[in-house]
Amino acid sequence: AQSVTQLDSQVPVFEEAPVELRCNYSSSVSVYLFWYVQYPNQGLQLLLKYLSGSTLVKGINGFEAEFNKSQTSFHLRKPSVHISDTAEYFCAVSTISGGYNKLIFGAGTRLAVHP
Amino acid sequence: NAGVTQTPKFRVLKTGQSMTLLCAQDMNHEYMYWYRQDPGMGLRLIHYSVGEGTTAKGEVPDGYNVSRLKKQNFLLGLESAAPSQTSVYFCASSLGTRRYTGELFFGEGSRLTVL
Repeated sequence: AQSVTQLDSQVPVFEEAPVELRCNYSSSVSVYLFWYVQYPNQGLQLLLKYLSGSTLVKGINGFEAEFNKSQTSFHLRKPSVHISDTAEYFCAVSTISGGYNKLIFGAGTRLAVHP
Repeated sequence: NAGVTQTPKFRVLKTGQSMTLLCAQDMNHEYMYWYRQDPGMGLRLIHYSVGEGTTAKGEVPDGYNVSRLKKQNFLLGLESAAPSQTSVYFCASSLGTRRYTGELFFGEGSRLTVL
């Protein structure tokens, strides 16, 4: 069975500092990997995704993530964060199960950017 | 372009009451999903549908029923609400497997409180 572990439930950081949000997954088959962002009182929106090809994936708002198959990780990074990046971030893994693309979410990491 | 619309956005129920959450999407997506979001647990899939007239159970289906009579609508029903069903409910939609990109489009959520 697939699972996703987000290693930090909360990450406080100062504005303009770099940040890394960690995500590990477990799966016995090929996977697709995603990061979603949820701003306060809103639904989730896609930040970036890895389907195949280059292991370094760039997303919206200056975020990027690197797929590491040997370490089964998909960590999210940003070199310099802004106050507006304060949100909850969800890592997700998808496989095809029974002809259906099943998406499994991690528990989320709350990023708090302080001035 | 409204995307995914959920109604109602807020609801308070007494234990034992019934209610229906409505989800509507205008993107002609094949797949639709209902998730619940609880603190520290990420999003958990309740039920999903891969097409009009079809539904299937997700990770936490007990106490819920769904119907997809029209492609654009996906209804989530609680026949006898319990306090454990207090949560934020999200509807999402996506393209089907053959055109899969991994992106789910989410509604803004429906906050349900069961007293």
